[in-house]
Amino acid sequence: DADVTQTPRNRITKTGKRIMLECSQTKGHDRMYWYRQDPGLGLRLIYYSFDVKDINKGEISDGYSVSRQAQAKFSLSLESAIPNQTALYFCATTGLNEQFFGPGTRLTVL
Amino acid sequence: SQQGEEDPQALSIQEGENATMNCSYKTSINNLQWYRQNSGRGLVHLILIRSNEREKHSGRLRVTLDTSKKSSSLLITASRAADTASYFCATDYGNNRLAFGKGNQVVVIP
Repeated sequence: DADVTQTPRNRITKTGKRIMLECSQTKGHDRMYWYRQDPGLGLRLIYYSFDVKDINKGEISDGYSVSRQAQAKFSLSLESAIPNQTALYFCATTGLNEQFFGPGTRLTVL
Repeated sequence: SQQGEEDPQALSIQEGENATMNCSYKTSINNLQWYRQNSGRGLVHLILIRSNEREKHSGRLRVTLDTSKKSSSLLITASRAADTASYFCATDYGNNRLAFGKGNQVVVIP
């Protein structure tokens, strides 16, 4: 089984809808991250969490919120989706240095 | 936040040739990491070099770091078709927060 899983893998939604992306990890790590990837722009950090009680904004947090339900679970929400949030979203976790990434969620906002 | 910038952006080579990619960054770092991404999938960690290291090897990979020039290079020797992917450099600017470059697309022709 994969160390980092993301659901859903693909999602198409409409402008104004609320959507939640979920991430689970079995690495036992405390630190978890959400990134978005746009063509030609690389990955940008949305939010990160160092433990269940610690949530921090990243580079591009506007329009997003997160919840750390447990050490293993970190979810990302779009309260009111807009078309420019169409992107590939990745969750990651780290123990010390290298980050382990999930397979990604491809989100399309119409 | 700082961003790594890879150069060149796209590279097409014959199987067996070497592939070299460069990355520059803007501020001080704890370490620099290289990741590989296959066609829209999750990123996979390749190698990490710490700020006090100058060169590191892992299998067919060789990475160098020049902190005075704020630059790094990744060399893949004896390339294979399976090396076809996008390669990203990422700088750790503290607390395992990574700033990613825009990526290098490498195509290895069999």
